[in-house]
Amino acid sequence: DAKTTQPTSMDCAEGRAANLPCNHSTISGNEYVYWYRQIHSQGPQYIIHGLKNNETNEMASLIITEDRKSSTLILPHATLRDTAVYYCIVRVEEGGATNKLIFGTGTLLAVQP
Amino acid sequence: DAGVIQSPRHEVTEMGQEVTLRCKLISGHNSLFWYRQTMMRGLELLIYFNNNVPIDDSGMPEDRFSAKMPNASFSTLKIQPSEPRDSAVYFCASSPNRGGYTFGSGTRLTVV
Repeated sequence: DAKTTQPTSMDCAEGRAANLPCNHSTISGNEYVYWYRQIHSQGPQYIIHGLKNNETNEMASLIITEDRKSSTLILPHATLRDTAVYYCIVRVEEGGATNKLIFGTGTLLAVQP
Repeated sequence: DAGVIQSPRHEVTEMGQEVTLRCKLISGHNSLFWYRQTMMRGLELLIYFNNNVPIDDSGMPEDRFSAKMPNASFSTLKIQPSEPRDSAVYFCASSPNRGGYTFGSGTRLTVV
Protein backbone atom coordinates (compact mmCIF):
# COMPACT_ATOMS: atom_id res chain seq x y z
CA ASP A 1 0.00 0.00 0.00
CA ALA A 2 1.08 3.57 -0.66
CA LYS A 3 2.22 5.63 2.27
CA THR A 4 0.72 8.87 3.51
CA THR A 5 2.16 12.02 5.06
CA GLN A 6 0.20 14.13 7.53
CA PRO A 7 1.12 17.02 9.82
CA THR A 8 1.77 15.93 13.36
CA SER A 9 -0.69 18.35 14.90
CA MET A 10 -3.13 21.13 14.12
CA ASP A 11 -5.29 23.56 16.04
CA CYS A 12 -8.76 24.74 15.12
CA ALA A 13 -11.16 27.16 16.76
CA GLU A 14 -14.49 25.78 17.87
CA GLY A 15 -17.19 26.43 15.27
CA ARG A 16 -14.72 26.92 12.45
CA ALA A 17 -13.96 24.48 9.66
CA ALA A 18 -11.09 22.10 10.27
CA ASN A 19 -9.12 21.21 7.13
CA LEU A 20 -6.80 18.26 7.57
CA PRO A 21 -4.36 17.62 4.71
CA CYS A 22 -2.85 14.34 3.60
CA ASN A 23 -0.24 13.62 0.95
CA HIS A 24 -0.25 10.28 -0.84
CA SER A 25 1.91 10.98 -3.87
CA THR A 26 2.57 7.29 -4.63
CA ILE A 27 -1.07 6.23 -4.58
CA SER A 28 -2.06 3.63 -7.14
CA GLY A 29 -5.09 3.82 -9.40
CA ASN A 30 -7.01 1.22 -7.45
CA GLU A 31 -6.27 2.56 -3.98
CA TYR A 32 -8.92 4.32 -1.96
CA VAL A 33 -8.29 7.11 0.53
CA TYR A 34 -9.72 6.36 3.97
CA TRP A 35 -10.02 8.60 7.00
CA TYR A 36 -10.40 7.42 10.57
CA ARG A 37 -10.18 9.22 13.86
CA GLN A 38 -9.38 8.12 17.38
CA ILE A 39 -10.69 10.00 20.34
CA HIS A 40 -8.68 9.49 23.50
CA SER A 41 -9.17 6.05 25.07
CA GLN A 42 -11.55 4.88 22.35
CA GLY A 43 -11.20 2.64 19.33
CA PRO A 44 -10.63 4.24 15.93
CA GLN A 45 -13.79 5.42 14.20
CA TYR A 46 -14.40 5.32 10.46
CA ILE A 47 -15.15 8.76 8.99
CA ILE A 48 -15.22 8.63 5.21
CA HIS A 49 -13.49 7.20 2.16
CA GLY A 50 -13.24 7.89 -1.56
CA LEU A 51 -11.49 6.92 -4.77
CA LYS A 52 -11.35 10.04 -6.93
CA ASN A 53 -14.59 11.94 -6.52
CA ASN A 54 -15.24 14.24 -3.62
CA GLU A 55 -17.37 12.65 -0.94
CA THR A 56 -19.58 14.01 1.82
CA ASN A 57 -21.42 12.40 4.67
CA GLU A 58 -22.91 13.50 7.96
CA MET A 59 -19.50 13.68 9.59
CA ALA A 60 -17.21 15.26 7.05
CA SER A 61 -16.26 16.00 3.45
CA LEU A 62 -13.36 14.50 1.57
CA ILE A 63 -11.72 16.47 -1.20
CA ILE A 64 -9.31 14.51 -3.42
CA THR A 65 -7.14 16.39 -5.92
CA GLU A 66 -7.49 15.56 -9.58
CA ASP A 67 -4.10 13.82 -9.69
CA ARG A 68 -5.07 11.95 -6.48
CA LYS A 69 -1.74 12.73 -4.87
CA SER A 70 -3.29 14.53 -1.95
CA SER A 71 -6.57 14.95 -0.13
CA THR A 72 -8.21 17.08 2.54
CA LEU A 73 -10.65 16.05 5.20
CA ILE A 74 -13.00 18.86 6.13
CA LEU A 75 -14.97 19.03 9.36
CA PRO A 76 -17.31 21.92 8.55
CA HIS A 77 -18.02 23.13 12.09
CA ALA A 78 -15.53 21.70 14.55
CA THR A 79 -16.60 21.10 18.12
CA LEU A 80 -14.59 20.24 21.20
CA ARG A 81 -15.66 16.61 20.75
CA ASP A 82 -13.80 16.52 17.44
CA THR A 83 -10.48 16.71 19.28
CA ALA A 84 -8.81 13.47 18.23
CA VAL A 85 -6.02 11.90 16.19
CA TYR A 86 -7.04 11.75 12.52
CA TYR A 87 -5.55 9.05 10.32
CA CYS A 88 -5.36 9.15 6.54
CA ILE A 89 -4.81 5.72 5.00
CA VAL A 90 -4.70 4.44 1.43
CA ARG A 91 -5.91 0.96 0.78
CA VAL A 92 -6.77 -1.32 -2.10
CA GLU A 93 -10.28 -2.69 -2.18
CA GLU A 94 -10.83 -5.81 -4.19
CA GLY A 95 -14.10 -7.56 -4.62
CA GLY A 96 -14.38 -10.63 -2.41
CA ALA A 97 -11.29 -9.86 -0.40
CA THR A 98 -10.38 -7.42 2.32
CA ASN A 99 -6.96 -5.85 2.53
CA LYS A 100 -5.39 -4.75 5.73
CA LEU A 101 -5.52 -1.19 7.02
CA ILE A 102 -2.14 0.11 8.14
CA PHE A 103 -2.23 3.12 10.45
CA GLY A 104 0.47 5.79 10.48
CA THR A 105 0.96 8.39 13.19
CA GLY A 106 -1.92 10.66 12.12
CA THR A 107 -2.66 14.30 12.91
CA LEU A 108 -3.64 15.37 16.41
CA LEU A 109 -6.40 17.92 15.93
CA ALA A 110 -6.97 20.11 18.96
CA VAL A 111 -10.20 22.11 18.84
CA GLN A 112 -9.86 25.19 20.99
CA PRO A 113 -12.80 26.85 22.75
CA ASP B 1 -26.56 -3.85 16.26
CA ALA B 2 -24.37 -3.63 19.36
CA GLY B 3 -21.21 -3.18 17.34
CA VAL B 4 -17.94 -5.00 17.91
CA ILE B 5 -17.82 -6.23 21.49
CA GLN B 6 -14.56 -6.87 23.29
CA SER B 7 -14.00 -8.41 26.68
CA PRO B 8 -12.66 -7.82 29.19
CA ARG B 9 -12.31 -4.03 29.09
CA HIS B 10 -9.40 -4.15 31.51
CA GLU B 11 -7.09 -6.99 32.46
CA VAL B 12 -4.30 -6.96 35.01
CA THR B 13 -2.23 -10.10 35.23
CA GLU B 14 1.10 -11.29 36.53
CA MET B 15 3.99 -12.07 34.28
CA GLY B 16 3.90 -15.66 33.10
CA GLN B 17 0.14 -16.02 33.25
CA GLU B 18 -2.03 -16.83 30.25
CA VAL B 19 -4.26 -14.04 28.96
CA THR B 20 -7.23 -14.48 26.63
CA LEU B 21 -8.88 -11.55 24.93
CA ARG B 22 -12.26 -11.96 23.26
CA CYS B 23 -14.01 -10.29 20.37
CA LYS B 24 -17.51 -10.60 18.93
CA LEU B 25 -17.91 -9.40 15.36
CA ILE B 26 -20.79 -7.49 13.84
CA SER B 27 -23.27 -9.86 12.26
CA GLY B 28 -22.65 -10.14 8.53
CA HIS B 29 -19.06 -8.93 8.65
CA ASN B 30 -16.64 -11.49 7.30
CA SER B 31 -13.28 -10.00 8.18
CA LEU B 32 -11.71 -9.70 11.61
CA PHE B 33 -8.61 -7.77 12.61
CA TRP B 34 -6.58 -7.66 15.82
CA TYR B 35 -4.54 -4.53 16.57
CA ARG B 36 -2.27 -3.54 19.43
CA GLN B 37 -1.67 0.07 20.45
CA THR B 38 1.16 1.47 22.55
CA MET B 39 2.57 4.95 22.91
CA MET B 40 5.86 3.90 21.39
CA ARG B 41 4.60 1.92 18.38
CA GLY B 42 1.14 3.30 17.71
CA LEU B 43 -1.50 1.05 16.19
CA GLU B 44 -0.02 -2.20 14.91
CA LEU B 45 -1.92 -4.84 12.97
CA LEU B 46 -1.27 -8.24 14.53
CA ILE B 47 -3.38 -10.60 12.43
CA TYR B 48 -6.44 -10.64 10.25
CA PHE B 49 -8.97 -13.25 9.20
CA ASN B 50 -11.26 -13.43 6.20
CA ASN B 51 -14.17 -15.88 6.34
CA ASN B 52 -12.67 -17.44 9.49
CA VAL B 53 -9.34 -18.13 7.77
CA PRO B 54 -6.15 -16.39 8.92
CA ILE B 55 -4.87 -14.36 5.98
CA ASP B 56 -1.87 -12.54 7.40
CA ASP B 57 -0.28 -13.09 10.80
CA SER B 58 3.01 -11.38 10.04
CA GLY B 59 2.34 -8.80 12.74
CA MET B 60 2.11 -11.34 15.54
CA PRO B 61 5.15 -10.51 17.62
CA GLU B 62 6.11 -13.93 18.92
CA ASP B 63 4.99 -17.51 19.26
CA ARG B 64 3.56 -16.55 22.62
CA PHE B 65 0.73 -14.89 20.71
CA SER B 66 -1.99 -16.91 19.01
CA ALA B 67 -5.39 -16.05 17.56
CA LYS B 68 -8.35 -18.16 16.60
CA MET B 69 -11.68 -17.66 14.94
CA PRO B 70 -13.74 -20.73 15.79
CA ASN B 71 -16.86 -19.37 14.08
CA ALA B 72 -18.02 -16.46 11.97
CA SER B 73 -18.89 -14.24 14.91
CA PHE B 74 -16.18 -14.77 17.51
CA SER B 75 -12.42 -14.56 17.90
CA THR B 76 -9.85 -14.89 20.66
CA LEU B 77 -6.32 -13.58 21.05
CA LYS B 78 -4.22 -15.51 23.52
CA ILE B 79 -0.88 -14.61 25.07
CA GLN B 80 0.94 -17.41 26.86
CA PRO B 81 3.07 -16.70 28.81
CA SER B 82 2.46 -12.98 29.19
CA GLU B 83 5.29 -10.50 29.73
CA PRO B 84 5.33 -6.87 30.94
CA ARG B 85 6.16 -5.65 27.42
CA ASP B 86 2.82 -7.04 26.24
CA SER B 87 1.09 -4.29 28.18
CA ALA B 88 -0.99 -2.33 25.65
CA VAL B 89 -4.50 -1.68 24.45
CA TYR B 90 -5.70 -4.44 22.15
CA PHE B 91 -8.40 -3.64 19.62
CA CYS B 92 -10.36 -5.89 17.36
CA ALA B 93 -12.24 -4.65 14.32
CA SER B 94 -14.58 -6.23 11.82
CA SER B 95 -15.56 -5.24 8.32
CA PRO B 96 -17.62 -6.38 5.37
CA ASN B 97 -15.89 -7.10 2.07
CA ARG B 98 -15.86 -3.44 1.13
CA GLY B 99 -15.99 -0.35 3.24
CA GLY B 100 -14.82 0.82 6.62
CA TYR B 101 -13.84 -1.15 9.67
CA THR B 102 -15.76 -0.99 12.94
CA PHE B 103 -13.55 -1.13 15.99
CA GLY B 104 -14.36 -2.36 19.45
CA SER B 105 -13.66 -0.35 22.58
CA GLY B 106 -10.47 -2.23 23.26
CA THR B 107 -8.98 -4.26 26.10
CA ARG B 108 -6.38 -2.52 28.23
CA LEU B 109 -3.88 -5.17 29.29
CA THR B 110 -1.40 -4.61 32.08
CA VAL B 111 1.15 -7.30 32.83
CA VAL B 112 3.01 -6.78 36.11
